[in-house]
Amino acid sequence: DQQVKQNSPSLSVQEGRISILNCDYTNSMFDYFLWYKKYPAEGPTFLISISSIKDKNEDGRFTVFLNKSAKHLSLHIVPSQPGDSAVYFCAVAAGNMLTFGGGTRLMVKP
Amino acid sequence: NAGVTQTPKFQVLKTGQSMTLQCAQDMNHEYMSWYRQDPGMGLRLIHYSVGAGITDQGEVPNGYNVSRSTTEDFPLRLLSAAPSQTSVYFCASSYGGQLYEQYFGPGTRLTVT
Repeated sequence: DQQVKQNSPSLSVQEGRISILNCDYTNSMFDYFLWYKKYPAEGPTFLISISSIKDKNEDGRFTVFLNKSAKHLSLHIVPSQPGDSAVYFCAVAAGNMLTFGGGTRLMVKP
Repeated sequence: NAGVTQTPKFQVLKTGQSMTLQCAQDMNHEYMSWYRQDPGMGLRLIHYSVGAGITDQGEVPNGYNVSRSTTEDFPLRLLSAAPSQTSVYFCASSYGGQLYEQYFGPGTRLTVT
């Protein structure tokens, strides 16, 4: 059974609007959470992270929210730009390992 | 810095053949790992290493071997290729202080017929 789920395989957003990507996890022992971004034919790149002692972390246009009681993680991109079009993976960390969700393809339309 | 490099970029194997995917990093990172990416499955951890001479299994280790004789290199060996190993393989590295913020290579697309 998947421990990390991204229930939306794709999301389409107009340029300038907010993009919200969601991620659910099952194990309350996870203590660090990350988002990675992936362009076609490239490896993923680290985007933003949050530890379990926080509920929000902001970096420019990107904000990650953590709701521990709901075991839910979200990434907000404001404003969205066409260059943000990519696949976004959430990841959860425990010990020496990362577990990734299945990814959400974001398309930002001009 | 070249970062994380992987060779080859593409490979086609027949069932039963063996091969080694190469991975190297020039950032002096202690931690290295191998993932496979399949549609809808995200990235799944195959094996990882926290330093030279130390390796451990990830989520999907069966059919793969690794070794870490130097800090720079972390090759992945397929012992007897199967069609189920058709996938895109990514190598990643990070330094111990920020283990989870990993640098990924460009990937190797492997097809097993």
